[in-house]
Amino acid sequence: GQSLEQPSEVTAVEGAIVQINCTYQTSGFYGLSWYQQHDGGAPTFLSYNALDGLEETGRFSSFLSRSDSYGYLLLQELQMKDSASYFCAPKGATNKLIFGTGTLLAVQP
Amino acid sequence: DTAVSQTPKYLVTQMGNDKSIKCEQNLGHDTMYWYKQDSKKFLKIMFSYNNKELIINETVPNRFSPKSPDKAHLNLHINSLELGDSAVYFCASSQDASSTGELFFGEGSRLTVL
Repeated sequence: GQSLEQPSEVTAVEGAIVQINCTYQTSGFYGLSWYQQHDGGAPTFLSYNALDGLEETGRFSSFLSRSDSYGYLLLQELQMKDSASYFCAPKGATNKLIFGTGTLLAVQP
Repeated sequence: DTAVSQTPKYLVTQMGNDKSIKCEQNLGHDTMYWYKQDSKKFLKIMFSYNNKELIINETVPNRFSPKSPDKAHLNLHINSLELGDSAVYFCASSQDASSTGELFFGEGSRLTVL
């Protein structure tokens, strides 16, 4: 079967660092994507990890451990504009991206 | 120039009606998708087409029928609309079916069934 777990909500203050965890179970696994979605907007691609380790893109980093079926998104120097929903999306068999309900990040001043 | 565009952006209709949502991408991608996002933000794949051929067909009522006239277009027709069909429908595209996990989403079509 397949399952996906990430926290439903996270709150942090401006300038802080926040980590959003994701555990998954899929039939077959190719990699883990992360997407950001602002309220009323479209999901936008942030990162994709096919191999174990940390990938950094500016203030955002994404980590994957294939053996643990676990990944996280790290957001540094939080800004108000980072308030959004964040989705981890494992890519399973048939190259299908599996989304869930995401994590709602609220950044407070 | 919008990469993935879908119309209409908003759709309000009565139960039992039939409606269509159109999607076009100008990225030259081979693969297109329809996703449904409900009021709890749950985002779920419905269909995927690769170069006009259906490759993913999730457990979706057969009232939903996708059509891809060419690889740049993927339309969604919904028959006999029900209250539970109210959601935001997102079209997306990717380079091909086996590319990295990067999808390009349209702005969404918010369907409200009364």
